[in-house]
Amino acid sequence: GDSVTQMEGPVTLSEEAFLTINCTYTATGYPSLFWYVQYPGEGLQLLLKATKADDKGSNKGFEATYRKETTSFHLEKGSVQVSDSAVYFCALSQGAQKLVFGQGTRLTINP
Amino acid sequence: DVKVTQSSRYLVKRTGEKVFLECVQDMDHENMFWYRQDPGLGLRLIYFSYDVKMKEKGDIPEGYSVSREKKERFSLILESASTNQTSMYLCASSFPKLEQYFGPGTRLTVT
Repeated sequence: GDSVTQMEGPVTLSEEAFLTINCTYTATGYPSLFWYVQYPGEGLQLLLKATKADDKGSNKGFEATYRKETTSFHLEKGSVQVSDSAVYFCALSQGAQKLVFGQGTRLTINP
Repeated sequence: DVKVTQSSRYLVKRTGEKVFLECVQDMDHENMFWYRQDPGLGLRLIYFSYDVKMKEKGDIPEGYSVSREKKERFSLILESASTNQTSMYLCASSFPKLEQYFGPGTRLTVT
């Protein structure tokens, strides 16, 4: 079945560092890809999405590009802030709209 | 603003009790979902519903049932709670093929 694999966490960075969180997927067909973020004590929020190959999703300084040839959707941000500390989930969906999630990556940004 | 609310943020129940988790959305969404979130496992789909009185099993339905009598409300039922059902439970809703909106979660402890 479909699956999503994220880089192991936790990830700890200093403020203004460059961030990459790797995400690869296995799926038949052409899924839509998502990054969700979960701030402490809250539910998940959609951060960005891409629905077809070579699409780039972007929001709040975060970007991810749908790479069909490498089945990847890596999350990047050029300069992280303390407020970006959260758990990040990569996910895919196709057809029936069910989301398949990766295991999540906890990110901590130190001032 | 889309709002998905869950009846409790924290819940403590005893083994063998019947447990009801309630979820309400105010956006007239057709689809509603129940996930459980466990460290290192990400989110796993328990059940979802795409219409009133309709339901489909997700990836881990064993030990759970659901009820959707009204469009805005989706209930998760643990018929006889067990300690391995201690987890964070997240409800979500969406229009077909669009992003899912999540509630804040219910942290259930079964002792």
